Amino acid sequence: EIMLTQSPATLSLSPGERATLSCRASQSVGSYLAWYQQKPGQAPRLLIYDASNRATGIPARFSGSGSGTDFTLTISSLEPADFAVYYCQQRSTWTFGQGTKVEIK
Amino acid sequence: QVQLVQSGAEVKKPGASMKVSCEASGYIFTNYYLHWVRQASGQGLEWMGIINLRGGSTTYAQKFQGRVTMTRDTSTSTVYMELSSLRSEDAAVYYCARANLQGYFDYWGQGTLVTVSS
Repeated sequence: EIMLTQSPATLSLSPGERATLSCRASQSVGSYLAWYQQKPGQAPRLLIYDASNRATGIPARFSGSGSGTDFTLTISSLEPADFAVYYCQQRSTWTFGQGTKVEIK
Repeated sequence: QVQLVQSGAEVKKPGASMKVSCEASGYIFTNYYLHWVRQASGQGLEWMGIINLRGGSTTYAQKFQGRVTMTRDTSTSTVYMELSSLRSEDAAVYYCARANLQGYFDYWGQGTLVTVSS
């Protein structure tokens, strides 16, 4: 089973700062990785698919990179709406990482 | 527009079964796959399984095999997820999610809260 490990568990930042979230796979998943954003009481929202492609309607401040086992989600300049939990997911067996909470510092 | 509308909250006793529905609209139902994901309170996302909406074939996460059944009704564009032998650890919000052409979850239902309590 492919395991995804996200780090850090919590990221405390201020609006306007850059956020860098990491996702590491236990074995190569190629570029088949997605990132989701989830706010309290809401379903997750697809942000990035195939490691680096923004989903429809996702602002350009969100970007993804990586391949193989190491992936990064970058939010270039945090806006108030971006404080949420972020999950990575691999497409082979659809498992998720445990999430990274981006909170206001 | 694409919508996935799930059935309402349920309260179940340990050992009982639950059945959640997910009605799809706004797209050609049988052209896509649909997944089920659950989330216990304060916890992460847990993938449960996938159903091919055209042929009805399914793949379940190993953890749920033997307890979960996913079916679909193409006449009503509705998918069902039944989980049996409920235990307290099954208390969670259950989501259906459509897989886009790349295989990722582009549309989600609003979630169904299932409480398991004696």
